[in-house]
Amino acid sequence: EPEVTQTPSHQVTQMGQEVILRCVPISNHLYFYWYRQILGQKVEFLVSFYNNEISEKSEIFDDQFSVERPDGSNFTLKIRSTKLEDSAMYFCASRAGVDEQFFGPGTRLTVL
Amino acid sequence: SQQGEEDPQALSIQEGENATMNCSYKTSINNLQWYRQNSGRGLVHLILIRSNEREKHSGRLRVTLDTSKKSSSLLITASRAADTASYFCATRNSGNTPLVFGKGTRLSVIA
Repeated sequence: EPEVTQTPSHQVTQMGQEVILRCVPISNHLYFYWYRQILGQKVEFLVSFYNNEISEKSEIFDDQFSVERPDGSNFTLKIRSTKLEDSAMYFCASRAGVDEQFFGPGTRLTVL
Repeated sequence: SQQGEEDPQALSIQEGENATMNCSYKTSINNLQWYRQNSGRGLVHLILIRSNEREKHSGRLRVTLDTSKKSSSLLITASRAADTASYFCATRNSGNTPLVFGKGTRLSVIA
């Protein structure tokens, strides 16, 4: 069964460093998302991406964040200068149409 | 805006019992989806129910949707220890808006 994959599973970085989180959505899907979940809290929407551009973003998704779909398969989230409060699980998700949205296993980002 | 609030926040039951979790939301929706999350792990899609549906089944899962009350319930029958996880509802307002998650219910099934 096709699934969303994410790498790395765990990323440790120093405050101020740039990180790139990688995702491979399900191949025939058209809509791509990043969410994050701070430990013990709810899953929060960051950004949605469709037709090679951002379709919606939350207030969390400020200028430090960017997304790219550099080729036909990868979807990346870049955090330019990480802060302590960026420590969280980051989930990529994709969907084909208006129906089920599938999530990847997440990348645990730890900012020291 | 806040959407998808589950209750209870935590639920502890014995193996073999049924578990019922509820979700309320505030605005009209296109669909509502339930997810399971084992501790520190990813979100596993369980079931989707559309706004024009009232009930759906999948294995031991039964989901209901009452759009007049803006609420949904997830019933897990004959629970197993492996069902221990957090369960989240997530709503989509219209075709292309992002899913909005509730805070989840932590279910513990004791063997």
